[in-house]
Amino acid sequence: DIVMTQSPESLAVSLGERAAINCRSSQTVLSRSNKKNYLAWYQQKPGQPPKLLIYWASARESGVPDRFSGSGSGTDFTLTISSLQAEDVAVYYCQQYYTTARTFGQGTKVEIK
Amino acid sequence: QLHLVESGGGVVQPGRSLRLSCAASESTFNTYPIHWFRQDPGKGLEWVAIISRDGSERYYGDSVKGRFTVSRDYSMNAVYLEMHSLRPEDTAVYFCARGAVAADDYWGQGTLVTVSS
Repeated sequence: DIVMTQSPESLAVSLGERAAINCRSSQTVLSRSNKKNYLAWYQQKPGQPPKLLIYWASARESGVPDRFSGSGSGTDFTLTISSLQAEDVAVYYCQQYYTTARTFGQGTKVEIK
Repeated sequence: QLHLVESGGGVVQPGRSLRLSCAASESTFNTYPIHWFRQDPGKGLEWVAIISRDGSERYYGDSVKGRFTVSRDYSMNAVYLEMHSLRPEDTAVYFCARGAVAADDYWGQGTLVTVSS
């Protein structure tokens, strides 16, 4: 299985400041055939299912605010929240869908400082 | 917009069985592969199983292989997860999700399974 490793485990950021979460995969998730990275980012709030934010590593899902952005390729990826809002308090997960057996990072808890 | 609703969770003794359902609000559900995921309370996410669009291919995570079976009913816009020989470590919230090409985009709210004597 592809192992996904996120850092940091938790992050406290002031309102309006930038938050960045890193994700590394144990092997590449970049497809040679279509040049796409099979990497997604999800946001999960207590008592709710994961919500898809970013797919193909950098494409924003419809309705997701543009303060959320994804970058990276191959094995190293980053989710950036450009200006943290109170409603962004949540746990964020990266997920690879390069293989049928999806795997997730352990999650990063984002809080307000 | 597609809505998925899981049901069938509950408290069950170790070694017993349970069947979970994932019901969709529209028939477009039937044209996608469907995943099952689970999440230990307060912990991370684990992939459990997938059934292909036509139901001919089914794959399982190592921790449930041989004990869980996924199936689908096109007339009901539903997917099922039959769980046998349940163990305490199967305790989790179980989610179904649509496996779109770009990502697993629609998720249900989940149903809690507790395996305890």
